[in-house]
Amino acid sequence: KAGVTQTPRYLIKTRGQQVTLSCSPISGHRSVSWYQQTPGQGLQFLFEYFSETQRNKGNFPGRFSGRQFSNSRSEMNVSTLELGDSALYLCASSAGAPETQYFGPGTRLLVL
Amino acid sequence: AQSVTQLGSHVSVSEGALVLLRCNYSSSVPPYLFWYVQYPNQGLQLLLKYTTGATLVKGINGFEAEFKKSETSFHLTKPSAHMSDAAEYFCAVSDPPSGTYKYIFGTGTRLKVLA
Repeated sequence: KAGVTQTPRYLIKTRGQQVTLSCSPISGHRSVSWYQQTPGQGLQFLFEYFSETQRNKGNFPGRFSGRQFSNSRSEMNVSTLELGDSALYLCASSAGAPETQYFGPGTRLLVL
Repeated sequence: AQSVTQLGSHVSVSEGALVLLRCNYSSSVPPYLFWYVQYPNQGLQLLLKYTTGATLVKGINGFEAEFKKSETSFHLTKPSAHMSDAAEYFCAVSDPPSGTYKYIFGTGTRLKVLA
């Protein structure tokens, strides 16, 4: 089975712009979670989707949003980018909570 | 609220020496527990997990961990370190009884293996 894929792998944006990141889960997995990883804050949970519904959400501002499509692929969007949004964004898929989560390689976002 | 503590943000061991990475969790109900490894510029790879049953769990690359309810611990060990083990290791908990669907990660331990 193919693993979790994330696109793009690297991204450079400027403050105030918006960005959309994509995640394709392992075939058959219906749960997709997103995490932000930074040196200062570590790994922080953003949100989790299951069958196109957001089931759980972390403590991030409303600028961070996501969605899931009927084929389980997920996107996350960050609007009005800030310098502090520079991070590695990781997507993880699972067959269903609380099953093991399998992580993609991440998208590294740099905000200038 | 559930939390995970990893003691030691950096651990150095000599090649061939025992690796011990510590993880403690806070929960009144035994959660599901995981160890992940992250190599530079990569995502997280599952090493092992504990859900129910046997408290000593064996994982990939010779790693194992023991769930100790009385100590609320899930320490990761490997008898003999190899240079390729140098990476960052994360302990995580998932709390099924609460109905949440997210992992809580520890802050990570960066393992350095000395030749």
